[in-house]
Amino acid sequence: EIVLTQSPATLSLSPGERATLSCRASQSVSSSYLAWYQHKPGQAPRLLIYGASSRATGIPDRFSGSGSGTDFTLTISRLEPEDFAVYYCQQYGNSPRIFTFGPGTKVDIK
Amino acid sequence: EVQLLESGGGLVQPGGSLRLSCAVSGFTFSSYAMSWVRQAPGKGLEWVSAISGSGSTFYADSVKGRFTISRDNSKNTLYVQINSLRAEDTGVYYCAKTLWSSDAYFDYWGQGALVTVSS
Repeated sequence: EIVLTQSPATLSLSPGERATLSCRASQSVSSSYLAWYQHKPGQAPRLLIYGASSRATGIPDRFSGSGSGTDFTLTISRLEPEDFAVYYCQQYGNSPRIFTFGPGTKVDIK
Repeated sequence: EVQLLESGGGLVQPGGSLRLSCAVSGFTFSSYAMSWVRQAPGKGLEWVSAISGSGSTFYADSVKGRFTISRDNSKNTLYVQINSLRAEDTGVYYCAKTLWSSDAYFDYWGQGALVTVSS
């Protein structure tokens, strides 16, 4: 079973700064099966990136995803006030057929 | 507009049972896989179960044998039956529309239903 690790656990930044979030897998993950979500308290999680680098519908272009194999990155080029939230990576494995989330990175206001 | 609305949450005693429902609209329900994802208080997201459009079911090891996912395509509704509830099942349960072919991810989510397991 693939385990996802996210770093850092917390990222304290100011609006306008660049955020770089890491997601590392214990085994190689197909890029097709790597996604990123944003989650704010009391709200539904929101899909940001699928297929490691494809932005979901309506997601601003300041969000970008990259990576392959075991190392993936979510970058927010310039933080807006509404971007302070928890971010999760997620992967799907064919054997066993399960979905797995990373523990999350909290991006908070410095 | 895609909408998912969970219901059926509440306070349940340990060992009890509960059925959550998720009513959906805005897409052809029978054509898509659906999943349940939960979040325990202060914890991260945990995938619980998924069901394909044709009814094949998949479970996380942590809930296998106690959770049963099902769907009624005629009612555009997803369900999960939870038996032998434990304190660690406490949390918010989200239903999510699941893209599951060449990609695998959750593109739309409900607002969640709170399940509290306590005596």
